[in-house]
Amino acid sequence: DVVMTQSPLSLPVTLGQPASISCRSSQSLVHGDGNTYLNWFQQRPGQSPRRLINKVSNRDSGVPDRFSGSGSGTDFTLKISRVEAEDVGVYYCMQGTHGPFTFGQGTKLEIK
Amino acid sequence: EVQLVESGGGLVQPGGSLRLSCAASGFTFRNYWMSWVRQAPGKGLEWVANIKEDGSEKYHAESVKGRFTISRDNAKNSLYLEMNSLRAEDTAVYYCAREDWGFEYWGQGTLVTVSS
Repeated sequence: DVVMTQSPLSLPVTLGQPASISCRSSQSLVHGDGNTYLNWFQQRPGQSPRRLINKVSNRDSGVPDRFSGSGSGTDFTLKISRVEAEDVGVYYCMQGTHGPFTFGQGTKLEIK
Repeated sequence: EVQLVESGGGLVQPGGSLRLSCAASGFTFRNYWMSWVRQAPGKGLEWVANIKEDGSEKYHAESVKGRFTISRDNAKNSLYLEMNSLRAEDTAVYYCAREDWGFEYWGQGTLVTVSS
């Protein structure tokens, strides 16, 4: 199975400041069709996960443009340009390239 | 509007069985792979099983293989998870999710608690 490793696992951030989460996979996430199926999810307390980013850098519908994804191969990053109070929660990366789908351990974002 | 509504969770004794259901609406259910994903209390997300559009292919995580079975009824726009030989470590919120090489849509989840 592909192992997804996130860092940091805890991320205290001041309101209005940027935040960055790293995700590394144990093997390349480039699919045979040329796409890279790396997703980012946000899970607010008490809620279901919500996808923010698909295929490395595509924002899902309704996702604020302060969220951005980048990376390639085995190294990926989720960036929040200016953290807002509503961004508190746990963020997960997930690969959909290789079966079985696997998630990172999660990064808990909190406000300092 | 896409909606996924899970049901069937509850308290069950170790070794017992439970059947989860997921009612889908707002999209053409028969055109999508579907998955179950679970989350143990205070823990991360774990993919459990998925099923092809027509039900001809099914895959299960090693942790549930031989005990859980995913199925679907396209005429009823419904997804199911039959869970047998339940263990304490199966305690989790179970989500159904629509696949697109990831999961854009999730249900609200149903809690399964395995305890004596």
